[in-house]
Amino acid sequence: EAQVTQNPRYLITVTGKKLTVTCSQNMNHEYMSWYRQDPGLGLRQIYYSMNVEVTDKGDVPEGYKVSRKEKRNFPLILESPSPNQTSLYFCASSPESGVALHFGNGTRLTVT
Amino acid sequence: AQSVSQHNHHVILSEAASLELGCNYSYGGTVNLFWYVQYPGQHLQLLLKYFSGDPLVKGIKGFEAEFIKSKFSFNLRKPSVQWSDTAEYFCAVNTNAGKSTFGDGTTLTVKP
Repeated sequence: EAQVTQNPRYLITVTGKKLTVTCSQNMNHEYMSWYRQDPGLGLRQIYYSMNVEVTDKGDVPEGYKVSRKEKRNFPLILESPSPNQTSLYFCASSPESGVALHFGNGTRLTVT
Repeated sequence: AQSVSQHNHHVILSEAASLELGCNYSYGGTVNLFWYVQYPGQHLQLLLKYFSGDPLVKGIKGFEAEFIKSKFSFNLRKPSVQWSDTAEYFCAVNTNAGKSTFGDGTTLTVKP
């Protein structure tokens, strides 16, 4: 089954404790992207990747890092999380650049 | 910088009513345009997309959208809504490669 898998689904952490949210797709898609969703603000793109070792900033990259060492995985790293990064995060992939076609189920992050 | 504006934050309709949700974007160059739907508790699904060609685009679930370049608009329409269309709808624009910007969303409530 074609899918985008995000882990964990829920995460509660404290300010400053490094964390990684994983994202993996099994469709051999070149394009992957991370978004955060906040009430009243829609989705905002954090980072995207056009292919292995090719990543670029979206609209809200501050405080986040990504890597794309292999095509299937695109982890989101928060080196020093802060409460304003409390949000719902989605990973997506697509065979077409710029199109978020297949979404993961989301990761709800709370930073206290 | 690109931006997307969705004029209606909350729309309430009765079943069988016609729907039109407004979306305007701000960008001077070539754009790709999208509409997504998010049902309660779920991730986003792509309804339709416009890359080029016929400005009237048909998507899934009976939705369509019209790209009017002169008005920088990409409005979503459906002739007759159903209770199951209750959801949040997002317009998005992609201007170059992988960078995407979403609108704030429109919540549609369809009364049975």
